[in-house]
Amino acid sequence: EDKVVQSPLSLVVHEGDTVTLNCSYEVTNFRSLLWYKQEKKAPTFLFMLTSSGIEKKSGRLSSILDKKELFSILNITATQTGDSAVYLCAPVQPLGKLIFGQGTTLQVKP
Amino acid sequence: DSGVTQTPKHLITATGQRVTLRCSPRSGDLSVYWYQQSLDQGLQFLIQYYNGEERAKGNILERFSAQQFPDLHSELNLSSLELGDSALYFCASSVSPDSTYEQYFGPGTRLTVT
Repeated sequence: EDKVVQSPLSLVVHEGDTVTLNCSYEVTNFRSLLWYKQEKKAPTFLFMLTSSGIEKKSGRLSSILDKKELFSILNITATQTGDSAVYLCAPVQPLGKLIFGQGTTLQVKP
Repeated sequence: DSGVTQTPKHLITATGQRVTLRCSPRSGDLSVYWYQQSLDQGLQFLIQYYNGEERAKGNILERFSAQQFPDLHSELNLSSLELGDSALYFCASSVSPDSTYEQYFGPGTRLTVT
């Protein structure tokens, strides 16, 4: 059975802290992995990772994939209150089928 | 704003009824995906269409069906509704049906079955 586990489930930090969110997966026919940020409604796209060991960066966010050990991490440096959200990882199967993890709820306090 | 639109935003209906949720993909996207998000199950893939054809099915109940029209908009039909069908229903779109393109999500339709 396909399985995606994110950790921690929730996290409370203060502005300026650095956080690391983890995503481990056991998914058949794995193709790639997507990270999303979900605030109040729709998930918004952050990263798509297809190759192991290549870091993707966007501002204070970065992410990397390890296809041998079957995990990915999302790093956020110098956190801001606007980073408060649920972060979802989703390994992708053929035909673009996403298998979502349960998410990590991040709260950034001023 | 992802460019994916969904209507209605909210829907309240009674058990046993039937509803239709509508989705318009981003301009240029041919593939549409439907997801259900509930508190206990998280985000779950339901079904995918590409250029009018069903391409992949997930954990979609037999009471649910979908289609994609020639103008590429899609509808998700939910019938014989049960209390447990209350959830957020998202539509997402991408350029291609394969795994090499990211999916962009619409704002969702919140369905409440009473």
